[in-house]
Amino acid sequence: EAQVTQNPRYLITVTGKKLTVTCSQNMNHEYMSWYRQDPGLGLRQIYYSMNVEVTDKGDVPEGYKVSRKEKRNFPLILESPSPNQTSLYFCASSLDRGTLYEQYFGPGTRLTVT
Amino acid sequence: GQSLEQPSEVTAVEGAIVQINCTYQTSGFYGLSWYQQHDGGAPTFLSYNALDGLEETGRFSSFLSRSDSYGYLLLQELQMKDSASYFCAVRGNTGKLIFGQGTTLQVKP
Repeated sequence: EAQVTQNPRYLITVTGKKLTVTCSQNMNHEYMSWYRQDPGLGLRQIYYSMNVEVTDKGDVPEGYKVSRKEKRNFPLILESPSPNQTSLYFCASSLDRGTLYEQYFGPGTRLTVT
Repeated sequence: GQSLEQPSEVTAVEGAIVQINCTYQTSGFYGLSWYQQHDGGAPTFLSYNALDGLEETGRFSSFLSRSDSYGYLLLQELQMKDSASYFCAVRGNTGKLIFGQGTTLQVKP
């Protein structure tokens, strides 16, 4: 089954404790992206990657890191999480840059930082 | 910069037709997408308009006017399962998809 998977689905952590949210897709997609969703603010893009070893900042990159060492994986790293990073996070992918208008989303990771 | 505006909430009754509008301002424009999201779930792609006009997919249609920087999503024969949030999103001249804040549609019996 074609899908985007994220782990963990739920995470409660404390301020400053480094964490990684994994994202993997099995569709051989070139384009991958991370979003955060907060009430009333819609989906805001954190980072995106057009292909392996190519990443770029979205609209809200502060406090986050990403890497794209393999085509299928695009982990999101919070080196020192803070309470304002409490949010619902989605990973998404599309075939390539030309089709980024049609993105496939993972199930989401609900993160709480206390 | 880029910005999108859509109503925050819309209410309609089962069987009715509802239109969700989206206006946008972008530096460069390739097209307008629509996504559906049920409560807390993953957004799912509904439609994409790159050219002016109406695109129809079953009960859902999407319209774009590039000259007016305006589009809408039209939902016909509303069903209770259509209760969800709907997002318009613009692909500009960057590698980003910019989303609106979303419209919550409540369908009442």
